[in-house]
This record gives sequence, structure tokens and C-alpha cells, in this order.
Amino acid sequence: QQPVQSPQAVILREGEDAVINCSSSKALYSVHWYRQKHGEAPVFLMILLKGGEQKGHEKISASFNEKKQQSSLYLTASQLSYSGTYFCGTEHEVAGANNLFFGTGTRLTVIP
Amino acid sequence: DTGVSQNPRHKITKRGQNVTFRCDPISEHNRLYWYRQTLGQGPEFLTYFQNEAQLEKSRLLSDRFSAERPKGSFSTLEIQRTEQGDSAMYLCASSLVVGAYEQYFGPGTRLTVT
Repeated sequence: QQPVQSPQAVILREGEDAVINCSSSKALYSVHWYRQKHGEAPVFLMILLKGGEQKGHEKISASFNEKKQQSSLYLTASQLSYSGTYFCGTEHEVAGANNLFFGTGTRLTVIP
Repeated sequence: DTGVSQNPRHKITKRGQNVTFRCDPISEHNRLYWYRQTLGQGPEFLTYFQNEAQLEKSRLLSDRFSAERPKGSFSTLEIQRTEQGDSAMYLCASSLVVGAYEQYFGPGTRLTVT
């Protein structure tokens, strides 16, 4: 039930772009994206719901392919502060299901 | 809005002892979630409340774990007879019921069982 994220790790130079993917074998109601820095709590970035509703930070963009149960997070013009581990959390399309299943994360390192 | 708070931030206990953690959610949030996170892994769902009702509990959660949210505000997570495998970061998150209900996480309680 845990989603699969790719890549597992990526290193970028400042200003470069990256795409992080999240794939589930279950029909999804929503996908949530978080960034976690070492020793800190996950920070909410974006939520994408079935039907097209999205909510998140202005500088973050993401897509949700409902038919393929896949989501992608797009990081453009990366900054040093983007470094951290990115997790997607998936909510299954099952009546009454509200908990999230998190992937194992994508470690992003941005270097000067 | 002061965010989600958790206490204590760190707990070291000996195997076999009981421990209790507290989570104070964002004040207007009526959903509260508990997760466990080990090194290199994403958060793993344990249980969640809507107001004072515990609506879902992970099948992975043993009978040694219990959670309460007596008045629909703060919540406690108790682990009885701790084992070394319980060592992890315990995260609490809260959200609204309506809307996109994104979850906001607290700083976590790091448990070390010796």
C-alpha cells in the first residue's frame, strides 16, 4: 500500500530543476507532498485531490494523474533551502479512509 | 496559531517501562493523527481521531499502544511494556475535516528504548 517514489536521491546545482515522482498501486483520492529537513517535522507543500482541486505553496507545482495513480512534484530554479527529503503521502479511494501512506522519500541536495 | 506541539521532545526509557506522549493540535483542527517514523523511512500511520472519536487504527499497532483524545483537544499516546523496536520518532499531525484537509505535523517525540 506504500507508494513508490523516484528517484531515491538527486543532487542539483542552484537554479536547476528537478521532478520527483510518486506512484501507487491503489486508486487514490488524494496525494500530499511534504518536505522534511534532518531532525525536523515534515512540512506541508501541496495537496492534490481527485477531480483537480489543488492547494499548496505558490512556488511549488505538482500534477496528479488519477488514471495512473501517479503524481509528480516539480521543483524549478532550485535554491539551497530546497534541500531535504521529499515524501509523498497517498490517501486511498476507500470509503472512510483518511490516513496517509507515505513513500520512503526522495533525498534532494542542492549545492552552490 | 502556534502550530502543533508535542511533549516531551525526547524520551529515553528502559525496556519494559511505560511511556506517554502528548500532542496539542492546532486549535481549530478537529482531526488528529499519530504516525511513527524510523530512520530513512516515511511516516507510518498509527491512528487518527475526529474530535474525541478514534476512527481508525493501524493493524500494525500492537495492543501495547493506546491513544486517547478525551475532550477532542489534546491527545495522548501510551506505549506499555516498551521494547527496543519501539524506538522511533512519534509524530502527531492535525487537520480540518472539511476542505483539502492538509495535515500539519508537530516536531515529534523521539523515543529511545535501552
